[in-house]
Amino acid sequence: AQSVTQLDSQVPVFEEAPVELRCNYSSSVSVYLFWYVQYPNQGLQLLLKYLSGSTLVESINGFEAEFNKSQTSFHLRKPSVHISDTAEYFCAVSKTGANNLFFGTGTRLTVIP
Amino acid sequence: EAGVAQSPRYKIIEKRQSVAFWCNPISGHATLYWYQQILGQGPKLLIQFQNNGVVDDSQLPKDRFSAERLKGVDSTLKIQPAKLEDSAVYLCASSVRGQNTEAFFGQGTRLTVV
Repeated sequence: AQSVTQLDSQVPVFEEAPVELRCNYSSSVSVYLFWYVQYPNQGLQLLLKYLSGSTLVESINGFEAEFNKSQTSFHLRKPSVHISDTAEYFCAVSKTGANNLFFGTGTRLTVIP
Repeated sequence: EAGVAQSPRYKIIEKRQSVAFWCNPISGHATLYWYQQILGQGPKLLIQFQNNGVVDDSQLPKDRFSAERLKGVDSTLKIQPAKLEDSAVYLCASSVRGQNTEAFFGQGTRLTVV
């Protein structure tokens, strides 16, 4: 079975400061990794994903995540956050070859002006 | 393109009543999912359809929950009878056929059981 741990339930950060949202996973099989974002009053949206290849993946709005197999982590980072990044961020895994996702409990990122 | 449509957005019912949620996936998406998101937790898969067939319903409490996708397009999720612990947001998602394809989520239905 797969599981995902997001240790930080809330992360406040000042505008233009860097941020890291932590995600660790547990699985007995190979997995794919995802970060989803949920803006206020909106549905979940895919932010970025790791399927294979380069372990560093990037999103179009400046976020990046690095797959670290030895540490079973997939932390999300951004060097400089904006007010508009305020949202809830969910890390998720799926077995390779499967489509259903196992989600973490989420991290609420609040960007302070 | 239109996104995943869900209705209603909000529903309040008393325990032991029944309730139904509706989902219309993105056109052409063969795979449809229902997730349950309890406050403070991440979404949990309840059931996955491929066209009108069930792929995975291992986490669906079948004594009270049921779901169908009769024509392989829209889907309904029913709870009968509801319990207090069913209070949650019910999310519908869809994806094209294939492995590890992106799932697109609807805005969800927030259910409160009192």
